[in-house]
Amino acid sequence: KNQVEQSPQSLIILEGKNCTLQCNYTVSPFSNLRWYKQDTGRGPVSLTIMTFSENTKSNGRYTATLDADTKQSSLHITASQLSDSASYICVVNTGGFKTIFGAGTRLFVKA
Amino acid sequence: ETGVTQTPRHLVMGMTNKKSLKCEQHLGHNAMYWYKQSAKKPLELMFVYNFKEQTENNSVPSRFSPECPNSSHLFLHLHTLQPEDSALYLCASSQDVEAGGREQFFGPGTRLTVL
Repeated sequence: KNQVEQSPQSLIILEGKNCTLQCNYTVSPFSNLRWYKQDTGRGPVSLTIMTFSENTKSNGRYTATLDADTKQSSLHITASQLSDSASYICVVNTGGFKTIFGAGTRLFVKA
Repeated sequence: ETGVTQTPRHLVMGMTNKKSLKCEQHLGHNAMYWYKQSAKKPLELMFVYNFKEQTENNSVPSRFSPECPNSSHLFLHLHTLQPEDSALYLCASSQDVEAGGREQFFGPGTRLTVL
């Protein structure tokens, strides 16, 4: 069964600290993996996309990694800001419009 | 803004009511999607339209009826809903559904409450 599991379910960190969110997937076939950020009251917005051959992709303070052998991905946030408070969703595409969504990690950044 | 708008943003309806959700995209895309997002659960794909043709109905109950009059507009008609249908309904669009993993651009969603 195609599944995307994210951990932790929620996380609280202090402003300025770093954090890492995890995504494990059992999806086949694999086309690409995206991380989305969803602010409260808004739809998800794509942060990064990685294909099978890519190990790391950065977008400002966000760095995503992908290990296709172990089927794991992580999203590292550096020097967190209050505006980073949001849900982060890992999404695996199996081809075309077929996508498997994780339940997300809810991040709270406190001053 | 992502270029995808949804109205209304909030909707409260009774189980016997009929209402419609509207989505409009200003990105020139050819594919549009409806998703259901319930608390602490992954997004659930409901319907996919590509060039105005429905290409996916993910076993959605008939009380949800989609309509795509053109590539820029998508509706979700609701009737005789159940309380468990209360959720955030998200609309998204992408360039098309042919190539693998086109980025989907999401609207802000409609928060639906069924009493």
